[in-house]
Amino acid sequence: DAKTTQPPSMDCAEGRAANLPCNHSTISGNEYVYWYRQIHSQGPQYIIHGLKYNETNEMASLIITEDRKSSTLILPHATLRDTAVYYCIVSPGYMRFGAGTRLTVKP
Amino acid sequence: GAVVSQHPSWVICKSGTSVKIECRSLDFQATTMFWYRQFPKQSLMLMATSNEGSKATYEQGVEKDKFLINHASLTLSTLTVTSAHPEDSSFYICSARGDFRGKGEQYFGPGTRLTVT
Repeated sequence: DAKTTQPPSMDCAEGRAANLPCNHSTISGNEYVYWYRQIHSQGPQYIIHGLKYNETNEMASLIITEDRKSSTLILPHATLRDTAVYYCIVSPGYMRFGAGTRLTVKP
Repeated sequence: GAVVSQHPSWVICKSGTSVKIECRSLDFQATTMFWYRQFPKQSLMLMATSNEGSKATYEQGVEKDKFLINHASLTLSTLTVTSAHPEDSSFYICSARGDFRGKGEQYFGPGTRLTVT
């Protein structure tokens, strides 16, 4: 599985967009980019995934660079409830978790 | 999204006893189920993968005789921690993958917190 690199922590002001970066320079052609988040003491929650094109759903947008070596998860209007650890995972099928980014949304 | 449940949500047991944790996919059939373990302030670690009706595949370093996994049906998997010890105290999370509304994503349960005294 390709390795991912994420900043350990980020802060964001409530109501502003949160942009979470992820580097995955060794990604293979058949590997998808997945994003999950884990709120304290809960199971991970699926957010979004993509292969090579940008994706958007009701929770977030995923921007994947043309060379697929990095991606950005965008939460357009962050709320306090978005405070969580966000995991970027590159996988052909099953999820292995790295350290993730601890996002803190501040009022 | 798809719902995966776990039971119990928390359990306290005495050292040397066995504990069974159930994982169910409520609105889809899970062809593959996964078990993870998470220690405080750490990320999730994959313990094993199982397909319905087949033996589980364990990750390196995970004792298969200690962590018994049974994937008896397309909606149920169980993890039994045998002869539990305090170092087995952890947050155990199951995950299921199957066809839900045409998508084959991996969905996670809420977790079971095990404390061994």
